[in-house]
Amino acid sequence: AIQMTQSPSSLSASVGDSVIITCRASQAIRNDLGWYQEKPGKAPKLLIYAASTFQSGVPSRFSGSGFGTDFTLSISSLQPEDFATYYCLQNYSFPQTFGQGTKVEIK
Amino acid sequence: EVQLVESGGGLVQPGRSLRLSCAASGFTFDEYAMHWVRRGPGKSLEWVSSISWNSGRTGYADSVKGRFTISRDNAKNSLFLQMNSLRVEDTALYYCAKDLGFSSSFPDHWGQGTLVTVSS
Repeated sequence: AIQMTQSPSSLSASVGDSVIITCRASQAIRNDLGWYQEKPGKAPKLLIYAASTFQSGVPSRFSGSGFGTDFTLSISSLQPEDFATYYCLQNYSFPQTFGQGTKVEIK
Repeated sequence: EVQLVESGGGLVQPGRSLRLSCAASGFTFDEYAMHWVRRGPGKSLEWVSSISWNSGRTGYADSVKGRFTISRDNAKNSLFLQMNSLRVEDTALYYCAKDLGFSSSFPDHWGQGTLVTVSS
């Protein structure tokens, strides 16, 4: 199975800050990567798929990039509602695999 | 509006079986792949299984392969997960999720989950 490694596992930031979360695949996966946001007690929400394509309704402060093995999720000007846990998911091959998550906390 | 309602969770002993169901509405069910994803206590999300629109393609996590079977009934807008030989480590909240498209890619709408507890 393809291993997805996210970093950092957690970070503290302030409202208005910009943050970058990275996801590294154990083998090349083209651009077959998505990013999810999860908040306590709620189902995960798809933010980005195909590495850089916005899901409908996602604010433009979120952006994704990458190809092959290295991917990033960037959040510019963090808003209070952005404090959550973020996951990457590869769909290049079965079994699909999530990263272990990055928790974005308020500083 | 897409709605996914899971059912069938509960407390079960190790080695026993359980069948989860997901009732879908608000979209043309037979045009989309579907997924099961779980979150164990204190763990991150784990993709469990997916099935294409016509059941022609299925996939499983290594941790459940050979024990779990995904299926769907397009006439009844329903998704299922048959879980056999359950283990303590299968304890989790199980989400049903709709895919972006007809084959397995990315879940884009999720239910609220059904809790499975495996314990003696």
